[in-house]
Amino acid sequence: GENVEQHPSTLSVQEGDSAVIKCTYSDSASNYFPWYKQELGKRPQLIIDIRSNVGEKKDQRIAVTLNKTAKHFSLHITETQPEDSAVYFCLLGFQKLVFGTGTRLLVSP
Amino acid sequence: DAGVTQSPTHLIKTRGQQVTLRCSPKSGHDTVSWYQQALGQGPQFIFQYYEEEERQRGNFPDRFSGHQFPNYSSELNVNALLLGDSALYLCASSLGQGQAFGSGTRLTVV
Repeated sequence: GENVEQHPSTLSVQEGDSAVIKCTYSDSASNYFPWYKQELGKRPQLIIDIRSNVGEKKDQRIAVTLNKTAKHFSLHITETQPEDSAVYFCLLGFQKLVFGTGTRLLVSP
Repeated sequence: DAGVTQSPTHLIKTRGQQVTLRCSPKSGHDTVSWYQQALGQGPQFIFQYYEEEERQRGNFPDRFSGHQFPNYSSELNVNALLLGDSALYLCASSLGQGQAFGSGTRLTVV
């Protein structure tokens, strides 16, 4: 079955720094790569996604990069703000949907 | 335009009982997926429904079953509840790719 590894599990940065979270997968059939943000006690929210026909997508301070050859995709957050503090998950799946293990991002003022 | 709605928001059941959770998808979405999220963990995929049939299933026992209705709404049923079934149950709907999540049902089994 699909295997997804997400790193790091926790990430602490100072406000204004950049943060990078990476997911590595094994299923080469995957063609859609979303990232979700989940604040404490709230539902996961889709923040950005990328399809396998592009290598990078950017939306203001958030970007996702995809390397299909190496089978990994990464979430990049620039100029981090305290409200970016949350748990971030990648999601993968062609036959079965699998979330990454999550990264707890803490942005300190 | 309402997003994904789930009911109830909270539920307490006794071990051995059965429970039914409900989900109404976002308008225009035709696919519903269910996830179990234990405290401090990532969501685990239970199954996905499309055209009223179970299309994909995760590694959950047969005690977990579901249904999708012609209006695309869905139910998750769990039989013979165990203490370990206590979790947040999330429903997500989609049309193609890109899932939208409901706020979840917090199930506590005592």
